[in-house]
Amino acid sequence: EPEVTQTPSHQVTQMGQEVILRCVPISNHLYFYWYRQILGQKVEFLVSFYNNEISEKSEIFDDQFSVERPDGSNFTLKIRSTKLEDSAMYFCAPEGYTFGSGTRLTVV
Amino acid sequence: EDQVTQSPEALRLQEGESSSLNCSYTVSGLRGLFWYRQDPGKGPEFLFTLYSAGEEKEKERLKATLTKKESFLHITAPKPEDSATYLCAVQVLRDNFNKFYFGSGTKLNVKP
Repeated sequence: EPEVTQTPSHQVTQMGQEVILRCVPISNHLYFYWYRQILGQKVEFLVSFYNNEISEKSEIFDDQFSVERPDGSNFTLKIRSTKLEDSAMYFCAPEGYTFGSGTRLTVV
Repeated sequence: EDQVTQSPEALRLQEGESSSLNCSYTVSGLRGLFWYRQDPGKGPEFLFTLYSAGEEKEKERLKATLTKKESFLHITAPKPEDSATYLCAVQVLRDNFNKFYFGSGTKLNVKP
């Protein structure tokens, strides 16, 4: 069983709209990573979060992206103004290597 | 530059036909090498972590090995339910931070 639950499992949104992807861990983790996987491509690192702060981010993680831990347990990844190329599976991963079931984001 | 390359891209086997998948890497300061199974539309499912050259791990029909340059995932007498994409990833330490780099995967298809 995955150590995290991700919601929604599938999100369809119009280009330019904001989306919030959620990750609920089963147990406490200090580190949290977000990855994305465009259909048919590699898993790519987006950002890591440690102790309520961003510790590292990739070049993909531009100003349109943000991460938060709004209530001390859940983690969110927000994309402020979605683009077609943001369509992908988004995974959260406690400690960086165990993955949630993912959110499929489709931008139309 | 840190790099992870998997081969072959795709592999077709008959049920019971054993084979190996390769993951080669060029990184310095390897902290761990991870193997995953990924089914379509799902998240990668963790299989193994290997930490040092010479290490081996087994789980059912799968066995992972590690050298200083590459890792192999050996599949013995595969069954159709082993069909999936197999990913490897390396963990390195950069600026006191753990980074993970993934290969493109090997898509395995096992025919009955």
